[in-house]
Amino acid sequence: QKEVEQNSGPLSVPEGAIASLNCTYSDRGSQSFFWYRQYSGKSPELIMSIYSNGDQEDGRFTAQLNKASQYVSLLIRDSQPSDSATYLCAVNGQSNYQLIWGAGTKLIIKP
Amino acid sequence: DAGVTQSPTHLIKTRGQQVTLRCSPKSGHDTVSWYQQALGQGPQFIFQYYEEEERQRGNFPDRFSGHQFPNYSSELNVNALLLGDSALYLCASSLEEGVSYEQYFGPGTRLTVT
Repeated sequence: QKEVEQNSGPLSVPEGAIASLNCTYSDRGSQSFFWYRQYSGKSPELIMSIYSNGDQEDGRFTAQLNKASQYVSLLIRDSQPSDSATYLCAVNGQSNYQLIWGAGTKLIIKP
Repeated sequence: DAGVTQSPTHLIKTRGQQVTLRCSPKSGHDTVSWYQQALGQGPQFIFQYYEEEERQRGNFPDRFSGHQFPNYSSELNVNALLLGDSALYLCASSLEEGVSYEQYFGPGTRLTVT
């Protein structure tokens, strides 16, 4: 059974600090890794994609991938109250056709 | 650039009834995936359509069926509704050509079964 694990949180971070979100996956054959942000009552929004080991940066967001450790992380710099949401980690499943999802980490940014 | 659209936004049905949900993919996308998301959980893959064919299916019963039209839009049908089918149903579109495999979601349809 292919799995994606995330700490459910909530993770509370002061405004302006760095929020660090983590995700582990079980399938060593996975090649595509995604972070989605989901506000309460809304649909998931793609914020970062990463495909190779190392860091991928986009504005205040940095995704980090370590395939040897089967570990993906998301760093949010200069956290803002608007970053408060649930962050979902998704990994491609067999044949890249489906995404396997974690249950999400709830992030709360305290003003 | 038109994003993924879904209809209806909300739906209330009675146990045993049938429901059809609709999805139009993002402009330029040709692949549609459907997911079910229960409260507090990550989305669960139902199936994916490409070239009007279901090419992969998750662990959902045959009560869940779908269709893709020549214009790439898609429908999700659920028969004999159960209380446990109450959830947010998400449609995601992607582009088959390319290496990103990125999926973009519509706003979802909130289905309540009473």
